Amino acid sequence: KAGVTQTPRYLIKTRGQQVTLSCSPISGHRSVSWYQQTPGQGLQFLFEYFSETQRNKGNFPGRFSGRQFSNSRSEMNVSTLELGDSALYLCASSLEDRGRGKLFFGSGTQLSVL
Amino acid sequence: KNEVEQSPQNLTAQEGEFITINCSYSVGISALHWLQQHPGGGIVSLFMLSSGKKKHGRLIATINIQEKHSSLHITASHPRDSAVYICAVFNYKLTFGKGTLLTVNP
Repeated sequence: KAGVTQTPRYLIKTRGQQVTLSCSPISGHRSVSWYQQTPGQGLQFLFEYFSETQRNKGNFPGRFSGRQFSNSRSEMNVSTLELGDSALYLCASSLEDRGRGKLFFGSGTQLSVL
Repeated sequence: KNEVEQSPQNLTAQEGEFITINCSYSVGISALHWLQQHPGGGIVSLFMLSSGKKKHGRLIATINIQEKHSSLHITASHPRDSAVYICAVFNYKLTFGKGTLLTVNP
């Protein structure tokens, strides 16, 4: 069974640009959640989608948005990039939503904002 | 005060030692997750707990809902156990601890 796939693996952008990250969950998993990991703040929850509906959103500005498609693939978008958005962005998929299922993480997208 | 506190932050052990990592949280939760992250590597879910105790190989995780506390134990530690161990709790969202960096020397 294929794992969680995130693309691209690395990304370099400049301030003010926007970026879209992609996450393909394990087949059959309807929950996809997104996280930001930085050395200073550690792991922080961004949002969770289940069956194309956003379940929850973390404490991030509106520049961070996401969506989930009918095949459970999810995308995350960050507009008007800032230097502080440089981070590892991870997605995880699960059979169940709201933290009730085991999480399977992708390898992440390392975003650098210059 | 962070909602999720882990201790210790750093832990160095000799191969074969028994390891305990602690996690305390301040909110009511529906589930607690223990995660493992190797340097430069991805994150692997070790356990998901809502009550009691779970065991997988040399790893044991316990949770006390009343005390708002969980522990992760590693028996007969091995250098390949060297990693960051992260506790995460779910109320309406996942909130993570800062992690415990474990180094097991041969």
